[in-house]
Amino acid sequence: NAGVTQTPKFQVLKTGQSMTLQCAQDMNHNSMYWYRQDPGMGLRLIYYSASEGTTDKGEVPNGYNVSRLNKREFSLRLESAAPSQTSVYFCASSQRGVNTGELFFGEGSRLTVL
Amino acid sequence: GENVEQHPSTLSVQEGDSAVIKCTYSDSASNYFPWYKQELGKGPQLIIDIRSNVGEKKDQRIAVTLNKTAKHFSLHITETQPEDSAVYFCAASGANNLFFGTGTRLTVIP
Repeated sequence: NAGVTQTPKFQVLKTGQSMTLQCAQDMNHNSMYWYRQDPGMGLRLIYYSASEGTTDKGEVPNGYNVSRLNKREFSLRLESAAPSQTSVYFCASSQRGVNTGELFFGEGSRLTVL
Repeated sequence: GENVEQHPSTLSVQEGDSAVIKCTYSDSASNYFPWYKQELGKGPQLIIDIRSNVGEKKDQRIAVTLNKTAKHFSLHITETQPEDSAVYFCAASGANNLFFGTGTRLTVIP
């Protein structure tokens, strides 16, 4: 099993460009999440999807959109990238809710916005 | 929302010694407290968790303690080994979120 797979692993954007981070899980999990990790700030939840067909905002949703394409896939889109969005992005999945069971993380996508 | 503070930010120990990382949280409604280990270039991985109805949990060399009254919980690693070197994150549950601490970089010196 691959677990949680994210693409791309690295990306450099110019301010104002758009891009989509892709995430897929093969564990048949119901819930999926997007986090960002910044130095000295831990991981912060951007958006989550408790089940196929639903999405909700997390702590830091501004500047992002998400799509739960099907049970396996959950994408994160930056419509107009800003330098403040330079970060490492992690996708995660869980069988139950985020506060009741293990989160399985992907290996991360490092995004730099110039 | 929940505020989780984690200390220390860096910790160096000799191989075989113990390491302790401490976290405090602010929301008394939090009832789930996991610890994640992140190795360089990887995503975080759950190593142990504890729920609010338990005061202590142990798994081989790793233990976690929880004091709900004081709103703090700690990770204890005994007989540290070089492969324990990583960044460790504590977290506390919210309604639909896990609130993470800022991480502790543990270095085990052979």
